[in-house]
Amino acid sequence: EPEVTQTPSHQVTQMGQEVILRCVPISNHLYFYWYRQILGQKVEFLVSFYNNEISEKSEIFDDQFSVERPDGSNFTLKIRSTKLEDSAMYFCASSEAGWADTQYFGPGTRLTVL
Amino acid sequence: GDSVTQMEGPVTLSEEAFLTINCTYTATGYPSLFWYVQYPGEGLQLLLKATKADDKGSNKGFEATYRKETTSFHLEKGSVQVSDSAVYFCALRGGDYKLSFGAGTTVTVRA
Repeated sequence: EPEVTQTPSHQVTQMGQEVILRCVPISNHLYFYWYRQILGQKVEFLVSFYNNEISEKSEIFDDQFSVERPDGSNFTLKIRSTKLEDSAMYFCASSEAGWADTQYFGPGTRLTVL
Repeated sequence: GDSVTQMEGPVTLSEEAFLTINCTYTATGYPSLFWYVQYPGEGLQLLLKATKADDKGSNKGFEATYRKETTSFHLEKGSVQVSDSAVYFCALRGGDYKLSFGAGTTVTVRA
């Protein structure tokens, strides 16, 4: 069964550094998403992406964050100048169609900012 | 805005016990409702969904019915197994792309 994959599974970085989290969505899916879950808190929506542009973003997704689909398979989340409070599990998801379709999640990347 | 409230855990049960996890929501319009499950060390997996009022989603012995009159989507399973130990998340999608999640309920099933 096709699945969403994410790398790395765990990333440790120093405060102020840039990180790139990578995701490979399911191959025939057209919509892509990033969510995060700070330890002990709810899973929160960050951004959705379609046709090479952001379709929706939350207030969390400020100028520190950016997303890109650099080729036909990868979908990345870049966090510039990481802060301690960026430590969280980051989940990528994809869906075949948009609003009405089920989102399938990857296993997550645990980001630890020291 | 859209929000989901689910019962707090943790919930500890014996094998073959009945499980129910309450979930209520606030949303404008007619949201779609979901239950996702997260097994230890893994990501979020879709367990079941319902897209309109009175729909019943079911999978792996779990069921949930979309009740518009009570704005609820409670998850039930008649006889749990040790392998059902996981964190369960109720979620909704309103008129946009994002999913809004509840806080999650940790369920532990003991043999």
